[in-house]
Amino acid sequence: SQTIHQWPATLVQPVGSPLSLECTVEGTSNPNLYWYRQAAGRGLQLLFYSVGIGQISSEVPQNLSASRPQDRQFILSSKKLLLSDSGFYLCAWSRGAVYEQYFGPGTRLTVT
Amino acid sequence: AQTVTQSQPEMSVQEAETVTLSCTYDTSESNYYLFWYKQPPSRQMILVIRQEAYKQQNATENRFSVNFQKAAKSFSLKISDSQLGDTAMYFCAFMTTSGTYKYIFGTGTRLKVLA
Repeated sequence: SQTIHQWPATLVQPVGSPLSLECTVEGTSNPNLYWYRQAAGRGLQLLFYSVGIGQISSEVPQNLSASRPQDRQFILSSKKLLLSDSGFYLCAWSRGAVYEQYFGPGTRLTVT
Repeated sequence: AQTVTQSQPEMSVQEAETVTLSCTYDTSESNYYLFWYKQPPSRQMILVIRQEAYKQQNATENRFSVNFQKAAKSFSLKISDSQLGDTAMYFCAFMTTSGTYKYIFGTGTRLKVLA
């Protein structure tokens, strides 16, 4: 069976510090991968998605970037965090022909 | 651009009763998928039900069913025999089949099932 992992679960970082959130998927190959940010009252905002290694599409101009160094690994990064980067970050995967997305447990990021 | 609207930020229902959550969407495409996701207080988002736009028959999954009105661009979720474990945030989502694999989510409805 497939599983998706995210870490860390929670993170408190000062403004201006770097960020690296990691997401890995097990039990499948060549998944589509997604990063979302969830804010109260605003639902889920798609940040990045990837259909293959090295292929990243950005949805929102922002202080964040994403990379996919391996088939089942998706990383969300920032060189300098802003207060507005605080939120709940969700990673998800899907198989192209199936369409459902499967979500990870999420990372709560607080920028102080 | 596609949009998904959930006009009910919060709802409550008595245990064992039925509740309907509303969702409307806007798109110019004819082929797409619609989903309802559930996010319990533990935060792990899970799929509740999905509907293919080309299917006229409404999808059902045990106590969960949808009322899909394609012309009206409406996709409501009915939960029958509500249980305490149904307490969660519910998100409606739209996905085009144009090959971009992108979801558009609504802002969610917080449902509380009362004992």
